[in-house]
Amino acid sequence: GAVVSQHPSWVICKSGTSVKIECRSLDFQATTMFWYRQFPKQSLMLMATSNEGSKATYEQGVEKDKFLINHASLTLSTLTVTSAHPEDSSFYICSGPGANYGYTFGSGTRLTVV
Amino acid sequence: GENVEQHPSTLSVQEGDSAVIKCTYSDSASNYFPWYKQELGKRPQLIIDIRSNVGEKKDQRIAVTLNKTAKHFSLHITETQPEDSAVYFCAARVPANKFYFGSGTKLNVKP
Repeated sequence: GAVVSQHPSWVICKSGTSVKIECRSLDFQATTMFWYRQFPKQSLMLMATSNEGSKATYEQGVEKDKFLINHASLTLSTLTVTSAHPEDSSFYICSGPGANYGYTFGSGTRLTVV
Repeated sequence: GENVEQHPSTLSVQEGDSAVIKCTYSDSASNYFPWYKQELGKRPQLIIDIRSNVGEKKDQRIAVTLNKTAKHFSLHITETQPEDSAVYFCAARVPANKFYFGSGTKLNVKP
C-alpha cells in the first residue's frame, strides 16, 4: 500500500530558528500532498496544499511566509517553520494520496520550540 | 469551506457494548467520508470509509452509515474491546481533494 515517510519524528529547537520537516511518498508519485497541524487533544487542521512544481495553497489564517512549503519533486514535500516561536509547538503531519480515494498519513513530527 | 462537526467528544462504554459516533458536514459536494483511529502520539489510521454513492458499509465489527440528504454520517463499533480505546476522527473530502476533520471523539472501553 501507499507509504508516506515523514521525518524527523520529533524536534526541539530554540525560539527564532527555523525547522524543516520532510514528507516523502515511498511507493507512489504525488502531485499533491497536504500538511496538517494538530495541537494537543485537538483535531487535525489543514494548513496547506502542497502542489508539485507550483506554489502551495494555504488555508485561511495560515501565514505562508511563516510556513514555507516546497514540493520540488513528485516524491518530496517539505514544510519549513521559519522563525519558530513557542506557540508553533505542535504535531505536524503530512498526507498523500493512497489507494482509491483514501489518503495516507506520515508518522508526524512533534515540534517543541523552547 | 467545509465544516465537519463530531459528537460526542468523549464516550465511555463497557466492553462488549456498542459505540456510535456521529458527524455532520456542510458542503453537499463532499464525496468521500473516512474515519480514522488515532492512538496517543501516533498517526491517524484509516479504519473505514464510505463514498457518497453508498449508504452503508460494514467491515467486521465496524460499520459506517451515510445520509446524504441530511448530510450526516456515523461510525458504529459493535462488541467493543479495550483495544478499541482511542481517539476517532471523521473527515469529509471536498472535490478539491482536501480533507476536513471533525473535532474527534475519545472512546474509552472499560474492561
